[in-house]
Amino acid sequence: QITLKESGPTLVKPTQTLTLTCTFSGFSLSTSGVGVGWIRQPPGKALEWLALIYWDDDKRYSPSLKSRLTITKDTSKNQVVLTMTNMDPVDTATYYCAHNTGNFDYWGQGTLVTVSS
Amino acid sequence: NFMLTQPHSVSESPGKTVTISCTRSSGSIASNYVQWYQQRPGSSPTTVIYEDNQRPSGVPDRFSGSIDSSSNSASLTISGLKTEDEADYYCQSYDSSISNWVFGGGTKLTVL
Repeated sequence: QITLKESGPTLVKPTQTLTLTCTFSGFSLSTSGVGVGWIRQPPGKALEWLALIYWDDDKRYSPSLKSRLTITKDTSKNQVVLTMTNMDPVDTATYYCAHNTGNFDYWGQGTLVTVSS
Repeated sequence: NFMLTQPHSVSESPGKTVTISCTRSSGSIASNYVQWYQQRPGSSPTTVIYEDNQRPSGVPDRFSGSIDSSSNSASLTISGLKTEDEADYYCQSYDSSISNWVFGGGTKLTVL
C-alpha cells in the first residue's frame, strides 16, 4: 500500500524559505522509473506542478519557479524535500506530494501553507 | 510549451451523461498521454483515467476517456451520473520538449 504524507510549517513570513518534507511508504525511490513530485493548489484555484525527482536523482522543475525551487531525496529515509525560497503571499496554497510512474497515481493529503507577515 | 484548456464548469442531471473537454494549445494531443483526476471538496486528487483511456482498478466503467486529434483535445465522459460524481476534474499531460507536467485549469461538475 502506497502512502505519502507532507509535513512542514503552516505559516511562513514573506521572503522566508519554505521547506516541505514528503515521507512515503509502500515503494522505493531507488526503483527504476519511480518519481516523486510536488504539486500545489492555491485556495479555490487549479493544480500547479512544481517539481519532480526520479529514482536516478534526475530533477525537473517548473520553468516559472525553477529559480526558487530545490528538490532532493533521501532514499534511506523514504523522504523527498522541497525548498522554495523568497516566499510571497501568492504562494499561499495546499502543497501535495505524489508518486509518479508516468502519471501521479498516489497523492498525499496535502499541507496548507499560508504566507503572511 | 503548451496549455490545457478546460471549461470552467458543467452541470447535468443524475442518470445523464456529461463530457468534459481538455484542449491542447500547441503540439499534438496524441504526443503525450492525458490523465484525468477527480478532486472532491476537501480531498486530494485521485486518478480516474490514465494514458488517455485507461481506468485504474476501482474506478467504475461509467468513466471513460478519449482523445480527438481533429480538435486536438481529450475528453472525459461520465455516464449514469451520480451525485457522488460532483467534483472538480483536472486533465494533465506531459510536455516532453521541456520535461514538464501540465495541468488544465479544472472543471467543476455539478450534478443536480
